[in-house]
Amino acid sequence: KQEVTQIPAALSVPEGENLVLNCSFTDSAIYNLQWFRQDPGKGLTSLLLIQSSQREQTSGRLNASLDKSSGRSTLYIAASQPGDSATYLCAARGHGQNFVFGPGTRLSVLP
Amino acid sequence: DAGVIQSPRHEVTEMGQEVTLRCKPISGHDYLFWYRQTMMRGLELLIYFNNNVPIDDSGMPEDRFSAKMPNASFSTLKIQPSEPRDSAVYFCASTPLAGGPTSTDTQYFGPGTRLTVL
Repeated sequence: KQEVTQIPAALSVPEGENLVLNCSFTDSAIYNLQWFRQDPGKGLTSLLLIQSSQREQTSGRLNASLDKSSGRSTLYIAASQPGDSATYLCAARGHGQNFVFGPGTRLSVLP
Repeated sequence: DAGVIQSPRHEVTEMGQEVTLRCKPISGHDYLFWYRQTMMRGLELLIYFNNNVPIDDSGMPEDRFSAKMPNASFSTLKIQPSEPRDSAVYFCASTPLAGGPTSTDTQYFGPGTRLTVL
């Protein structure tokens, strides 16, 4: 059974700092891995999707990498801003449409 | 498109009552998912549909939970009878046709229904 973990559980950084969020999964037989953002009281918004055949994806200040062999993915946020404050979740898609989500990392970017 | 629509946004009910949550997926999306989010267990997949047909309901916690999708634009999640431990935020999500390992199956989430069972 796939298990997804995320480290750290919470992170607080000053504005402008670069940061890395970590995601680990136990079963490397995944189709893709997605990173989502969740604002308080809201649904999830997809940020980046990395196919199993890819190593990384970039969107603006965000860069996500995938290492299937080690069961790890990282989300890199450059030049963080207070508007980046949210909870970030990763999700691994296995067989069929089964998405397994991690518990999330709660990020606070201080002005 | 208005995105995934869920109703109600908040529901407070008493133990033993029937609860029905509603979802309208994005038009043209072939997959619909129901999730439950709690502090203790995080985000859990309950059930998903493909072209209105339930594909995997292994995440449905008990027989008290049931889900239907009578047509491509509407789905319901029903809890009968409800219990305090069912209190959570329930999300509906939809995704376009997923053709396999190389498909782009980004999920689009609704705003969720916050359920409180007293």
